[in-house]
Amino acid sequence: DAGVTQSPTHLIKTRGQQVTLRCSPKSGHDTVSWYQQALGQGPQFIFQYYEEEERQRGNFPDRFSGHQFPNYSSELNVNALLLGDSALYLCASSLAAGAGSGANVLTFGAGSRLTVL
Amino acid sequence: GEDVEQSLFLSVREGDSSVINCTYTDSSSTYLYWYKQEPGAGLQLLTYIFSNMDMKQDQRLTVLLNKKDKHLSLRIADTQTGDSAIYFCAEMNSGGYQKVTFGTGTKLQVIP
Repeated sequence: DAGVTQSPTHLIKTRGQQVTLRCSPKSGHDTVSWYQQALGQGPQFIFQYYEEEERQRGNFPDRFSGHQFPNYSSELNVNALLLGDSALYLCASSLAAGAGSGANVLTFGAGSRLTVL
Repeated sequence: GEDVEQSLFLSVREGDSSVINCTYTDSSSTYLYWYKQEPGAGLQLLTYIFSNMDMKQDQRLTVLLNKKDKHLSLRIADTQTGDSAIYFCAEMNSGGYQKVTFGTGTKLQVIP
């Protein structure tokens, strides 16, 4: 049973460019959350998707956007990249809230490490 | 708002017990978690506790929760070199969604 898979694992962009990161949730999961982890920091919540809609959003600008597809996979898009966007971007999947005991457990992928030059 | 705080660093000798502490501010937290992150890797869930519990034991891991003081601890018995990693405390609030707030992490160094 595959866990959460993310791609690409590493990428380098320059300021002003745009990036798309991809995530496939764990089999059976329908909710995807994205987190940004800057170097030496804990992960920060970006947003969460369920039923192809953004359900909740953290304190991130509109340059950060996302999408969820009918197969529950998700993309994170960041426009107009800044040096400060350099971080490990983590995708986590779960069952929807209220779906039972599994709803409270997030399964994380290995992350996509973005470097902005 | 939610805030989770941890000490930054802990060093222990192999075979000793490690205790990592965490405090949080959100009184509506429903679940509290301990995650482990090894260099260059994602987050591995170690254990979690529901907010109406005060203790949970899972093999070498013991979680203690003092809800009154909003204090969570993780005890690792017989600490091994493979336990060297960064440990994150995290909490999920009761807002109906599954937003998890993480601390800044405690780096555990195990000395052989």
